[in-house]
Amino acid sequence: EPEVTQTPSHQVTQMGQEVILRCVPISNHLYFYWYRQILGQKVEFLVSFYNNEISEKSEIFDDQFSVERPDGSNFTLKIRSTKLEDSAMYFCASRGTGGPYEQYFGPGTRLTVT
Amino acid sequence: DQQVKQNSPSLSVQEGRISILNCDYTNSMFDYFLWYKKYPAEGPTFLISISSIKDKNEDGRFTVFLNKSAKHLSLHIVPSQPGDSAVYFCAASASTNAGKSTFGDGTTLTVKP
Repeated sequence: EPEVTQTPSHQVTQMGQEVILRCVPISNHLYFYWYRQILGQKVEFLVSFYNNEISEKSEIFDDQFSVERPDGSNFTLKIRSTKLEDSAMYFCASRGTGGPYEQYFGPGTRLTVT
Repeated sequence: DQQVKQNSPSLSVQEGRISILNCDYTNSMFDYFLWYKKYPAEGPTFLISISSIKDKNEDGRFTVFLNKSAKHLSLHIVPSQPGDSAVYFCAASASTNAGKSTFGDGTTLTVKP
């Protein structure tokens, strides 16, 4: 069964450094998402991406964040200058075009900023 | 304005009994409703859905009920098992908005052996 994959599973970085989180969505999906979950808190929507552009973003998704689909398979989230409060689990998701529009989530990348 | 609300942050039930998780929504444009399950340190997984033209959908131990007039849906798990202990998210999608989904904050279900 097709699945969404994410790499790395755990990333440790120093404050101020740039990180790139990678996702391979399900191959025939056209909508892509990033979410995050800070430890002990709820899952928060960051951004949605369709047709090579951002279709929606939350208040969290400020100028330090960017997303890209550099080729036909990868979908990346870049955090330009990491802060301590960026430490969280980051989940990628993708979906197809038909109802009920269920999203398929990856296993997540745990980002630890020290 | 939170369009999808799960008012109970947590629920605890005994193994073998029924678990009922509730969700309310405000937007009449939603035409699909979904439930996801999430274990700690894992991504959410799609569990079951229901179209707005139905009032019930069943899949094994899981049944989702939709009350459109009340803008309310519920997920019933019967019988509940300890492995069902997880966070359950309700979500709603609108075909008129390219299938955009709105998620609730989640309800943590604990099933005690």
